Amino acid sequence: AQTVTQSQPEMSVQEAETVTLSCTYDTSESDYYLFWYKQPPSRQMILVIRQEAYKQQNATENRFSVNFQKAAKSFSLKISDSQLGDAAMYFCAYRSLKLTFGTGTRLTIIP
Amino acid sequence: EAGVAQSPRYKIIEKRQSVAFWCNPISGHATLYWYQQILGQGPKLLIQFQNNGVVDDSQLPKDRFSAERLKGVDSTLKIQPAKLEDSAVYLCASSLAGGRKDQPQHFGDGTRLSIL
Repeated sequence: AQTVTQSQPEMSVQEAETVTLSCTYDTSESDYYLFWYKQPPSRQMILVIRQEAYKQQNATENRFSVNFQKAAKSFSLKISDSQLGDAAMYFCAYRSLKLTFGTGTRLTIIP
Repeated sequence: EAGVAQSPRYKIIEKRQSVAFWCNPISGHATLYWYQQILGQGPKLLIQFQNNGVVDDSQLPKDRFSAERLKGVDSTLKIQPAKLEDSAVYLCASSLAGGRKDQPQHFGDGTRLSIL
C-alpha cells in the first residue's frame, strides 16, 4: 500500500519569507500524480499544486513551487513571499488508483 | 461555478444514534467521493461512486456505514449506530472523470460530527 509521510507537524515562517514543507512517499508504481492541498479552518481542501510523476520539470503556481525528486520519492512544497492568508494545514497527497493523504503540516505565518 | 455543497455543517449525537450527511457535487462531475478525516490525520477515502455505481468501498465499515447515490448526482452517507470513534469531519469531493489520475478532486466544507 502507498504511504505518504509528512515529518513536520508544525512550521512557522515570518511574513514575506520563504518556507519549505517536506513530504516523502512510498510506492512501487511509476505512473502517479502528487498533490499539495491546503486546508484552512473552513475545512475545505483547496488544491495548491500538482505534479505528474513522469515529468522531470518541477511544477510552479505563482508563489508555490515543488521540488520533486522521483528517485528519492520526495515531494516538497516551497512557499515564497509568505502571506497571512497562507496560514493553514497543508496536506501532501499521492494518487494512483486513489488519493492517499499524509498527516499534514500546520503552517503559521508570523506578522 | 458552484462548489461541492454539504450539509449539515455540524452534528452532535449520542453514541448508538444514527446520522446522515448530504452532498451535492459540482454540476457535471461524474465521480463522487466520501472521506473521513479524524482529528490530526489526513482524509481517508470511505467510498467512491462513478455516476450511481460504487467503484471502491473497501475502507467503508459496512456494518454501520452506508452510502448511496441513487440518481448519479446527490449522495447521502449514513452511520447507524454511531460509535465514539466515528467522531470526525466527513468530507465530500467530486471530479469530472474518476479514472484519470490527473483530475483534481474538488472538496466541500465537510460536516463535523461529534459523538457524545
